[in-house]
Amino acid sequence: AQKVTQAQTEISVVEKEDVTLDCVYETRDTTYYLFWYKQPPSGELVFLIRRNSFDEQNEISGRYSWNFQKSTSSFNFTITASQVVDSAVYFCALSEAQSSGNTPLVFGKGTRLSVIA
Amino acid sequence: DAGITQSPRHKVTETGTPVTLRCHQTENHRYMYWYRQDPGHGLRLIHYSYGVKDTDKGEVSDGYSVSRSKTEDFLLTLESATSSQTSVYFCAINSGFNYGYTFGSGTRLTVV
Repeated sequence: AQKVTQAQTEISVVEKEDVTLDCVYETRDTTYYLFWYKQPPSGELVFLIRRNSFDEQNEISGRYSWNFQKSTSSFNFTITASQVVDSAVYFCALSEAQSSGNTPLVFGKGTRLSVIA
Repeated sequence: DAGITQSPRHKVTETGTPVTLRCHQTENHRYMYWYRQDPGHGLRLIHYSYGVKDTDKGEVSDGYSVSRSKTEDFLLTLESATSSQTSVYFCAINSGFNYGYTFGSGTRLTVV
């Protein structure tokens, strides 16, 4: 069965600090996809990244970076030089690939990040 | 825009009344999903559809039913609303395989 664990329920940092959000997943499939979504106070879900299980390269997008390690089943998300606008709930999610299409997303419980000016 | 809309955006209803939430897409995607979001639980899958008239249950399907009579619409029905169904409901679409998922803006449902 699929499972995603985000052990950090809430994190609070001061602006310009770096912060890492942890995500650990469980799956028995060899082909799967990992996602991060951001939910700002306005409530919508904003897609940040999708990574497939065969691509372990780390990715950087501006102040955001992701570290995917299959050996530890982790897909951690780092925000460098955090800003107040980064305050949101962040969700990690997993989908397994099957011959008929991907399985529905399974979400972690989310990490609420507060960035204080 | 992603071509997915949910209606209504907000609803207050009384315990015991039926409620139907609508998800409409213009993308012609095969897969559609209903999730509910509650504090401390993240998003949990209620039901999903993999084609017209093809649906399956998710993790928290009790008390909910769905219908998909055409590709673009996926309806979620609470036959007899209870206070435990007070939540924010999100619809999502996906074209399958290695594509991403797109979410609607959510419906905030309050059962009093």
